Amino acid sequence: EIVLTQSPGTLSLSSGERATLSCRASQSVMKFLAWYQQKPGQAPRLVIYDASSRATGIPDRFSGSGSGTDFTLTISKLQPEDFAVYFCQQYSSSPRTFGQGTKVEVK
Amino acid sequence: QVQLVQSGAEVREPGASVRVSCKASGYSFTTYVITWVRQAPGQGLEWMGWISVYNGNTNYAQKLQDRVTMTTDTSTSTAYMEMRSLRADDTAVYYCARGHISYTTSSCFDSWGQGTLVTVSS
Repeated sequence: EIVLTQSPGTLSLSSGERATLSCRASQSVMKFLAWYQQKPGQAPRLVIYDASSRATGIPDRFSGSGSGTDFTLTISKLQPEDFAVYFCQQYSSSPRTFGQGTKVEVK
Repeated sequence: QVQLVQSGAEVREPGASVRVSCKASGYSFTTYVITWVRQAPGQGLEWMGWISVYNGNTNYAQKLQDRVTMTTDTSTSTAYMEMRSLRADDTAVYYCARGHISYTTSSCFDSWGQGTLVTVSS
């Protein structure tokens, strides 16, 4: 089973700042990594797929990078609606696995 | 637009079974995978397995494979997840989600149901 480790656990930032979230895989997942955003009481929402492709309707302040074992989600200028928990997920092999999440909170 | 609408909250006693439904609309139901993910209160996301609607194949998480069954009814575009021998630690919100790419299990999940809270308590 591929273990995904996200860091940091919590990111305290202000609106307008840049957020950088990390996801590290215990073995290569090639490009098959997705990022999801989840707000309280809501289902997850796909943000990035194939490591760097934005999902439909996702603003261009969100970008993803990386391949193999190291991945990054960057939010260039945080907007109030971006404060949420972000999970990475690999779909390179079964079982599919998720990271434990990074909470982006208001500083 | 793609929509997945799940059945309502359930309360079960330990040892009982539960079936959660997920009705799809806005796309060709038979060409995508439906996956199930659960989230215990205050916890992260746990992949439970998938069913390929187009060929009926299933793949379950090893820890759940003895207790979970995923099925579909193509006549009503509805997916089902049944879990048996429920325990307190099965208390969670259960989500269905659609695969991002048609005719493949090798994709992420681009549309999600609203979630169904299953509470297991005596």
